[in-house]
Amino acid sequence: GEDVEQSLFLSVREGDSSVINCTYTDSSSTYLYWYKQEPGAGLQLLTYIFSNMDMKQDQRLTVLLNKKDKHLSLRIADTQTGDSAIYFCAETPHSSASKIIFGSGTRLSIRP
Amino acid sequence: DTGVSQDPRHKITKRGQNVTFRCDPISEHNRLYWYRQTLGQGPEFLTYFQNEAQLEKSRLLSDRFSAERPKGSFSTLEIQRTEQGDSAMYLCASSLVGGSAGGQNEQFFGPGTRLTVL
Repeated sequence: GEDVEQSLFLSVREGDSSVINCTYTDSSSTYLYWYKQEPGAGLQLLTYIFSNMDMKQDQRLTVLLNKKDKHLSLRIADTQTGDSAIYFCAETPHSSASKIIFGSGTRLSIRP
Repeated sequence: DTGVSQDPRHKITKRGQNVTFRCDPISEHNRLYWYRQTLGQGPEFLTYFQNEAQLEKSRLLSDRFSAERPKGSFSTLEIQRTEQGDSAMYLCASSLVGGSAGGQNEQFFGPGTRLTVL
């Protein structure tokens, strides 16, 4: 089946690292994505990782992929108030190279 | 080009009425997608077009829903005989696939049309 799950909420202190976790069911997923959604704004692609990679780093963002456990994580270093948003984990399933299956989103809130 | 645009941004309608939404993708993008997002959930895929051809439809897309992309540019999504359960944010996305675009199918999303059915 095609399912993506993630925890609903995460609260971190400003300046700390945030780690958002996700699990997925389709072991044949080709690409996995992290999208960010801010209130009143559209979904923004933050980063993606191809399924044959273990890690991808892009400035403050680090994506880790554990294919064996079907686990994806997004680490945001030095979390800032501007990082407050809902973060969606998503995958392109093997059954369709076009659609994206999204998780329910993790709301990240920043404490001063 | 400023990105994917959608019109209207908000629509309030009474149950049983028909509504139509429009999406203008990024101009050089050959694929266009429609998703639906309800409160507290992630977007759910509805359908997509490659140029003017509708290539995949979700089981979520009942026969009251129809989408078109007649000239391979903008798209419309029509909902007939709306029901309260149709209340949601309808998101459009576009992407460029093939050629030098790479395989990651990066989809660019519009701001959405929020539909409220009373």
